[in-house]
Amino acid sequence: DGGITQSPKYLFRKEGQNVTLSCEQNLNHDAMYWYRQDPGQGLRLIYYSQIVNDFQKGDIAEGYSVSREKKESFPLTVTSAQKNPTAFYLCASTLDRDQPQHFGDGTRLSIL
Amino acid sequence: AQSVTQPDIHITVSEGASLELRCNYSYGATPYLFWYVQSPGQGLQLLLKYFSGDTLVQGIKGFEAEFKRSQSSFNLRKPSVHWSDAAEYFCAVATSGAGSYQLTFGKGTKLSVIP
Repeated sequence: DGGITQSPKYLFRKEGQNVTLSCEQNLNHDAMYWYRQDPGQGLRLIYYSQIVNDFQKGDIAEGYSVSREKKESFPLTVTSAQKNPTAFYLCASTLDRDQPQHFGDGTRLSIL
Repeated sequence: AQSVTQPDIHITVSEGASLELRCNYSYGATPYLFWYVQSPGQGLQLLLKYFSGDTLVQGIKGFEAEFKRSQSSFNLRKPSVHWSDAAEYFCAVATSGAGSYQLTFGKGTKLSVIP
């Protein structure tokens, strides 16, 4: 079945460390997105990419970086510059602007 | 800038009772509107969407929503709630752009169901 796979499900970061969250989709979707979810805050957009080798900052991009070298993959790196990284991270994708976004099952990041 | 307001943080209903979750949006153009549901520790599942046409939209799991332009609202309804409906519900509005769109989410409404 087609879908979005996020890994790992749980991730722990030490102080000063960069960590990378994986997002892979086999839906042949062009656009991919990363959201951050905090309790009681809804979802906030970090980065999005409409095509390979192109991406744009969302509302809360500071302390994060992304790449889009392949259509299927959109990894998110949480850098040491992100001072409050503990959150639930969700990846999504969509075929085009007339289709809804599909979501992965998320990665929960915590600080050691 | 676009925004979405879900006025109710937490709602508790009895199983079998009717349900209405409120959503108000702020967006200058014709909106694309969505309702998603999230179980604890899981991703979001699409319940229904409104892009254009009939303002009463049917979704999965017996849910429906009505788009009211005059009230800038897109409330979610279900005539009879089941215990498995307990989850968090998010309303979202899409801002259109070339090629794709970005979603702005409300802060969510947590639904508890009393057996």
